[in-house]
Amino acid sequence: GENVEQHPSTLSVQEGDSAVIKCTYSDSASNYFPWYKQELGKRPQLIIDIRSNVGEKKDQRIAVTLNKTAKHFSLHITETQPEDSAVYFCAARSWAGSYQLTFGKGTKLSVIP
Amino acid sequence: NAGVTQTPKFQVLKTGQSMTLQCAQDMNHEYMSWYRQDPGMGLRLIHYSVGAGITDQGEVPNGYNVSRSTTEDFPLRLLSAAPSQTSVYFCASSSGQGVHNEQFFGPGTRLTVL
Repeated sequence: GENVEQHPSTLSVQEGDSAVIKCTYSDSASNYFPWYKQELGKRPQLIIDIRSNVGEKKDQRIAVTLNKTAKHFSLHITETQPEDSAVYFCAARSWAGSYQLTFGKGTKLSVIP
Repeated sequence: NAGVTQTPKFQVLKTGQSMTLQCAQDMNHEYMSWYRQDPGMGLRLIHYSVGAGITDQGEVPNGYNVSRSTTEDFPLRLLSAAPSQTSVYFCASSSGQGVHNEQFFGPGTRLTVL
């Protein structure tokens, strides 16, 4: 089955700086890679996703890049703000098997004012 | 639309007790899943369903049962609760139209087993 590794597990940045979270996956059949944000005590919510036929996608201050050859994808947050503080999860879904998402273990991002 | 709803929000059980966590969605989604979330472990798949009458095991199915008699509902049953099942449980749903579709999560159930 799919295995998703996520790094770092914790990340602290100063307000206004950029944050980068990296994930690797094992199943070459995976072709959908969403990122979820989970605020304390809340449910995970999708913030951005990327499909395997796209190398990069941006949405305002958030961008995701995908390198299918190396099997890794990254989340980039620019001009971080205190409200960006949360736990971020990457995930991967494959065409093969169950079509279920496999999640990384999460990154706790703290933005220091 | 209410989206994905879960009840109860909080539950305390004693070891050996059984209970059912309820999950419902009003988006006519074919796919529904149950995850548990433990500190440092991310979201781990317990059971999932690709349509009414069809269920399958995920990564950590032991100690849990599911059924899917309708498109809307996907209850999770704990047969004999153990302290290791103390966790936050999330139900999720997504459209079955291809692999590139968003998964929506419910608000979660925080379960403590004493």
